[in-house]
Amino acid sequence: GQQVMQIPQYQHVQEGEDFTTYCNSSTTLSNIQWYKQRPGGHPVFLIQLVKSGEVKKQKRLTFQFGEAKKNSSLHITATQTTDVGTYFCAGQSWASGTYKYIFGTGTRLKVLA
Amino acid sequence: EPEVTQTPSHQVTQMGQEVILRCVPISNHLYFYWYRQILGQKVEFLVSFYNNEISEKSEIFDDQFSVERPDGSNFTLKIRSTKLEDSAMYFCASSEQVTEAFFGQGTRLTVV
Repeated sequence: GQQVMQIPQYQHVQEGEDFTTYCNSSTTLSNIQWYKQRPGGHPVFLIQLVKSGEVKKQKRLTFQFGEAKKNSSLHITATQTTDVGTYFCAGQSWASGTYKYIFGTGTRLKVLA
Repeated sequence: EPEVTQTPSHQVTQMGQEVILRCVPISNHLYFYWYRQILGQKVEFLVSFYNNEISEKSEIFDDQFSVERPDGSNFTLKIRSTKLEDSAMYFCASSEQVTEAFFGQGTRLTVV
């Protein structure tokens, strides 16, 4: 079945450093979403990417969707302690005959002040 | 701001018992979902529900599980004969279309 992997699994950075998490799908995606989950919290939607090669920015966050629509990345510039949490990608693949979103394995970010 | 609400926030149950987890999706949303997250692991899709019926379910969602929309506002997940490995955070989510999903705060289920 469809699998969505993320690397790295964990990342510790000093406050002010940049951070990137990468998401890779075993199948071509129709679209991909990114969620952030704070410790003890629930996933909160960040963004959705639909087009091949799409790049979207939200303040210090930059999201990219690969040309082949099988991978994506989230880059945070100049991390802050408020960025702490686990970042999940979630991919949807209509070609698989399904509309469900498969969540990635997540990248847990710790920011050291 | 509208939000998805889930009750209870924490449920402790004896192994073998049945539990019902409750969710109130955002009122104008048409698609409803249940996800599960075992502690420290990824979010796993269980089931999606649309137009008063299950639209998709995962291999996790076997005969032990069922969902219901008993009235116009509630969306429930029933787990029969709970097992220790059912202990997890259960998230309800809803969406207007098959796009951005809004998650509830979750119900932490502990099976003892």
